[in-house]
Amino acid sequence: GEDVEQSLFLSVREGDSSVINCTYTDSSSTYLYWYKQEPGAGLQLLTYIFSNMDMKQDQRLTVLLNKKDKHLSLRIADTQTGDSAIYFCAESPASGGSYIPTFGRGTSLIVHP
Amino acid sequence: EPEVTQTPSHQVTQMGQEVILRCVPISNHLYFYWYRQILGQKVEFLVSFYNNEISEKSEIFDDQFSVERPDGSNFTLKIRSTKLEDSAMYFCASSATGNVLAKNIQYFGAGTRLSVL
Repeated sequence: GEDVEQSLFLSVREGDSSVINCTYTDSSSTYLYWYKQEPGAGLQLLTYIFSNMDMKQDQRLTVLLNKKDKHLSLRIADTQTGDSAIYFCAESPASGGSYIPTFGRGTSLIVHP
Repeated sequence: EPEVTQTPSHQVTQMGQEVILRCVPISNHLYFYWYRQILGQKVEFLVSFYNNEISEKSEIFDDQFSVERPDGSNFTLKIRSTKLEDSAMYFCASSATGNVLAKNIQYFGAGTRLSVL
C-alpha cells in the first residue's frame, strides 16, 4: 500500500530557513499536500502541488517535488516562532476515483530564538 | 473563514461504553470524512460519506463503528463498545463538490481526543 515517510523533528533558529522532507511510494499520486497542525487545532492545509509540477511558491513557502525520487519538500523562509507546529505531508492517488490522502507521521518543527 | 467544528474536544469513557463524536462540517460541503491518530502514529483514514451513504471505508472501520448524518448540519461517528485501543484523536473533515481539486481539498476540525479507560 501507499506509504509516506518524514522525519519526526526539526529544530531551527528564528530567521533561518526550515526544510521539511517527505518521501512517498505511490507512483500514481496526483496531489501532494502539506498540512500544519498547531497545538490544540486541526490540520490546516498549507499548500498543495500537482504531480505534474516541480515547484510551487507561495509567499514564504516553497514546495519542491522530485517525482523521479518521490521526494517532496517544504521550505519555510525566515522561520518565525509562530511557525512552530507539526507539519504533515500527504498524498492522494490518481486512480480509482479515491480522494483519500495518505498521511505521514508529521514533523515537529521547533523554532527557537 | 468557515471551519469544521468538533465536539467534545476531549471525551473520557469506560471500556465497553458507547461514544458518539460529533462534527459540524462546512455548510456547503457534501463530502465528509473521519480520521484517527493514535498518539505517536500516523493519521489514518476511517470512512468517507457522501449522499447519505458510506462511499469508502478502511479496514479499521469495522462493525463497531458507524456514521450518521442525523440532520442537515451534523455528522457523527459512533463507536458501539469502546476498547482501550480506540484511544486516539479523531478528526472530522469535509470537502466540497465540483471538480477533482475541490474534492481533494479537505478541511479538518480540531479533533476530539478519546480516552478509553
